[in-house]
Amino acid sequence: GAVVSQHPSWVICKSGTSVKIECRSLDFQATTMFWYRQFPKQSLMLMATSNEGSKATYEQGVEKDKFLINHASLTLSTLTVTSAHPEDSSFYICSARDNRNEAFFGQGTRLTVV
Amino acid sequence: DAKTTQPPSMDCAEGRAANLPCNHSTISGNEYVYWYRQIHSQGPQYIIHGLKNNETNEMASLIITEDRKSSTLILPHATLRDTAVYYCIVRVGGGNAGNMLTFGGGTRLMVKP
Repeated sequence: GAVVSQHPSWVICKSGTSVKIECRSLDFQATTMFWYRQFPKQSLMLMATSNEGSKATYEQGVEKDKFLINHASLTLSTLTVTSAHPEDSSFYICSARDNRNEAFFGQGTRLTVV
Repeated sequence: DAKTTQPPSMDCAEGRAANLPCNHSTISGNEYVYWYRQIHSQGPQYIIHGLKNNETNEMASLIITEDRKSSTLILPHATLRDTAVYYCIVRVGGGNAGNMLTFGGGTRLMVKP
């Protein structure tokens, strides 16, 4: 199957700082990528849909000014958590859709805000 | 996308077949059944999908009932590494229908020695 790479795998940051997470499709072009968040013992919750060259579409309750998404190329989408707070600590997962419309997931990024 | 119902947890003995059920009674004619699994602290991994025929690949078999209202994922010889949360998802396949995946609670499969 297609490979989606997320970086970093884990990050610890101080409250008030910003953190950028990268999601790359390594062997295919992805016009659409999805960002999910997963809290402990819970399921994945969709945060936003990222479309190459256009603004992301955010799910209800997700602050677009706090979770900045950039999808500037067909192989890279970034999620920046701005002014992070401890409640933003979570497992962030990206997914990229290939030209057959199948979704492949990154390995996830564990963010801890201290 | 149609909603799915799965048991929250199941146990299986190592080497035995693991049969994970999923109910999707409101599935539409153009919706596929997808299965993913998530091993602890990793991203979801695609397993298999089908529309109405039974499917088999190197990982698992998918049995879909004739009325398509339920399905069963079968891991023929479960190993300890198959311990994970298994998600059954129904969604429109192909085309450009949005296609973000909506995850329910899944089934936490524990394979025991």
